[in-house]
Amino acid sequence: NAGVMQNPRHLVRRRGQEARLRCSPMKGHSHVYWYRQLPEEGLKFMVYLQKENIIDESGMPKERFSAEFPKEGPSILRIQQVVRGDSAAYFCASSPTGGNIQYFGAGTRLSVL
Amino acid sequence: QQPVQSPQAVILREGEDAVINCSSSKALYSVHWYRQKHGEAPVFLMILLKGGEQKGHEKISASFNEKKQQSSLYLTASQLSYSGTYFCGTALEGSSNTGKLIFGQGTTLQVKP
Repeated sequence: NAGVMQNPRHLVRRRGQEARLRCSPMKGHSHVYWYRQLPEEGLKFMVYLQKENIIDESGMPKERFSAEFPKEGPSILRIQQVVRGDSAAYFCASSPTGGNIQYFGAGTRLSVL
Repeated sequence: QQPVQSPQAVILREGEDAVINCSSSKALYSVHWYRQKHGEAPVFLMILLKGGEQKGHEKISASFNEKKQQSSLYLTASQLSYSGTYFCGTALEGSSNTGKLIFGQGTTLQVKP
């Protein structure tokens, strides 16, 4: 049973470009969470999704950030017009139900030049 | 709203014990403990639910004081592999079915031979 898969592992973008981060949950998991981690800091909740629905996006910046979890395919975190402050590690976690154990992927490390 | 972890850092010799604390100012539904090694994904260790239910690894123990909204992680007979940063993630009362976790700032544990 494969774990949570994130790709790419490393992503370099120039200011103003778009970043698309992908997350495939564990088999049988329909709940996905995205967290952001700055160097030497803890994980900050961004958004919680179920298939085709955004349940809680209270941690998402109001502009430039969006997330989706379509019926088919991985969850996508999209950052438009990236700025240097977006540089961070972005982790995805999945669980079989809400409120259950969350299993994390290896993360995508975004660097904005 | 972010839980406070203590200590911030601890250095041990192999075989020694350690306790890491996590304290919240909000009423909690559950506490989740993770260990993260540098550049890697957080790894699930233990979940403690309001009411006393626990799930986790055999060699890890933890407690959850519901009255004080505090949790402690007990690491006994430490091994070199225990080194890493430990995070507690808290789910607030009322968010039990969403799983949104608010993480502490982390406790860095270093085990020396």
